[in-house]
Amino acid sequence: SQTIHQWPATLVQPVGSPLSLECTVEGTSNPNLYWYRQAAGRGLQLLFYSVGIGQISSEVPQNLSASRPQDRQFILSSKKLLLSDSGFYLCAWEVQGGPDTQYFGPGTRLTVL
Amino acid sequence: QKEVEQDPGPLSVPEGAIVSLNCTYSNSAFQYFMWYRQYSRKGPELLMYTYSSGNKEDGRFTAQVDKSSKYISLFIRDSQPSDSATYLCAMSAVGSTLGRLYFGRGTQLTVWP
Repeated sequence: SQTIHQWPATLVQPVGSPLSLECTVEGTSNPNLYWYRQAAGRGLQLLFYSVGIGQISSEVPQNLSASRPQDRQFILSSKKLLLSDSGFYLCAWEVQGGPDTQYFGPGTRLTVL
Repeated sequence: QKEVEQDPGPLSVPEGAIVSLNCTYSNSAFQYFMWYRQYSRKGPELLMYTYSSGNKEDGRFTAQVDKSSKYISLFIRDSQPSDSATYLCAMSAVGSTLGRLYFGRGTQLTVWP
């Protein structure tokens, strides 16, 4: 069966510090991968998606970036965090070419102080 | 107008009640409809998935899609305290880029014993 992992689970970072969040998927190959941010009361905001290694598309221009160095690894990064980057970050995977159902990881709660 | 509208609640019901959760949408191209359940501080979990119009039942859960009214519903029978969570509707259009999902903001449900 497929599983998706995210770490760290929680993170508290000062403004201006760098960020690296990691997501890995097990039990499937060549998935579509997604990064979302969920802010309180504001729903899910799609940040990045990827159809393959090194292929990243950005939905929202901001100071975040994403990379996919391996087939089942998706990384969200920032060089300098802003207060507005606080939120709950979710990674999701989807079978490429399959039904439009995405499966989410446990999330990373980021607080920028 | 947002593509997907969902009443955020909160909704509070006694144990054993029938719960009705709803979403409306504006894009007539939506063909795939999903319901996710999200417990506090956890990632969303896929609950129900339907294609086009009609009903789908899974245990105590029934998903309904009325494409003519652009309205979807999730019914929970014999609700339990363990059903207390935020419920997110999501939908996508045939041929959309990478199965992009459009989410409602979620309805917060509390089932009290």
